[in-house]
Amino acid sequence: AQSVTQLDSQVPVFEEAPVELRCNYSSSVSVYLFWYVQYPNQGLQLLLKYLSGSTLVKGINGFEAEFNKSQTSFHLRKPSVHISDTAEYFCAVSDRPGAQKLVFGQGTRLTINP
Amino acid sequence: SAVISQKPSRDICQRGTSLTIQCQVDSQVTMMFWYRQQPGQSLTLIATANQGSEATYESGFVIDKFPISRPNLTFSTLTVSNMSPEDSSIYLCSVEGSIPRAYGYTFGSGTRLTVV
Repeated sequence: AQSVTQLDSQVPVFEEAPVELRCNYSSSVSVYLFWYVQYPNQGLQLLLKYLSGSTLVKGINGFEAEFNKSQTSFHLRKPSVHISDTAEYFCAVSDRPGAQKLVFGQGTRLTINP
Repeated sequence: SAVISQKPSRDICQRGTSLTIQCQVDSQVTMMFWYRQQPGQSLTLIATANQGSEATYESGFVIDKFPISRPNLTFSTLTVSNMSPEDSSIYLCSVEGSIPRAYGYTFGSGTRLTVV
């Protein structure tokens, strides 16, 4: 069964600094990867996804992630964060897209300090 | 992507009672998923609901406690039965992208349940 590990439970950074949120998954023949953001008291919003093709995936709000098969990683990055990026971020994996459950990591709380 | 309306957004319930959560999607979808997010925790899948058949429950979740209905391709309900304070969580429904090749799971805004 798939599993996801988010290596940092909390990440504090200063505004306009770069950030990387780390995500590793258990190896599988095929894997589909997602990053979601959860703002306080809200549901989950899809930031980006990797299904196939280019290993560098660009998402909304200036975020991007790189799929690294050899390291079984899918780290999320943003070159310059804003106060509004303060939220919980979840990495998730599926064995195939569509009609298949997602397995979530434990989440990383990103806190942006002025 | 699909738009999901989930009701209620929050509720405070007495222990021993039941709450039914509704999930309405603006387009037809094959599978609907129900997740639980306990305080400060990640999301855990409760069950997968396929239209016209019994829901498939994950380990640790049973139909008597979390009965699910899926009467058509745009609607599902999750009932949390005989509630205890341990059931206090956020419950979210999710669907896969209804457009072919859009692949991306959409989530409702969640139901924040507090059991007292």
